[in-house]
Amino acid sequence: LAKTTQPISMDSYEGQEVNITCSHNNIATNDYITWYQQFPSQGPRFIIQGYKTKVTNEVASLFIPADRKSSTLSLPRVSLSDTAVYYCLVGDWAGGYNKLIFGAGTRLAVHP
Amino acid sequence: DAGVTQSPTHLIKTRGQQVTLRCSPKSGHDTVSWYQQALGQGPQFIFQYYEEEERQRGNFPDRFSGHQFPNYSSELNVNALLLGDSALYLCASSLFQGATQYNEQFFGPGTRLTVL
Repeated sequence: LAKTTQPISMDSYEGQEVNITCSHNNIATNDYITWYQQFPSQGPRFIIQGYKTKVTNEVASLFIPADRKSSTLSLPRVSLSDTAVYYCLVGDWAGGYNKLIFGAGTRLAVHP
Repeated sequence: DAGVTQSPTHLIKTRGQQVTLRCSPKSGHDTVSWYQQALGQGPQFIFQYYEEEERQRGNFPDRFSGHQFPNYSSELNVNALLLGDSALYLCASSLFQGATQYNEQFFGPGTRLTVL
């Protein structure tokens, strides 16, 4: 599975847009990019997944350039409740078993 | 509809003891995965069960073993506990939808294990 690199921590303020970039230079053709969110004392929660270009759901947007060597998770107008750790995962889901490989993630702190 | 549930919530053991953690998957799910999360780190994959068999395993010693029951619930057993086994143990469930499909995993709240 491709290795990912993302910032250890980020700070933002309520109402701002937050963009977290993940580098995955060795991404393979069959790999998808998935982002998870984890609040303290809780298990991770799926946010969004994409393969190329842009994906948007009710929570976030995911931007993937043509070379797919990086991706950016965009959180619009964050609130205090968005304070969490955000994980970028890259993997080929063939085989159906979906072994998730997490890195250290990005700790986002949203301030009033 | 209940999500993934785990028991117990917290557990304190001493070195050398054995522990069993339990997980009930989300309704309709048939696959259970276990992860270990040390403080300040991301979850690390231990193993995954489907159709009562271990299908994939991460880089964990044989002291870590598991089981899946016919009702899809699962147990994680750790023998000869070490101080380094102190962590949050997470269970995730999913529905197997095919060999080339991404099967979204839903995580439980975890069991906090402290080894003294």
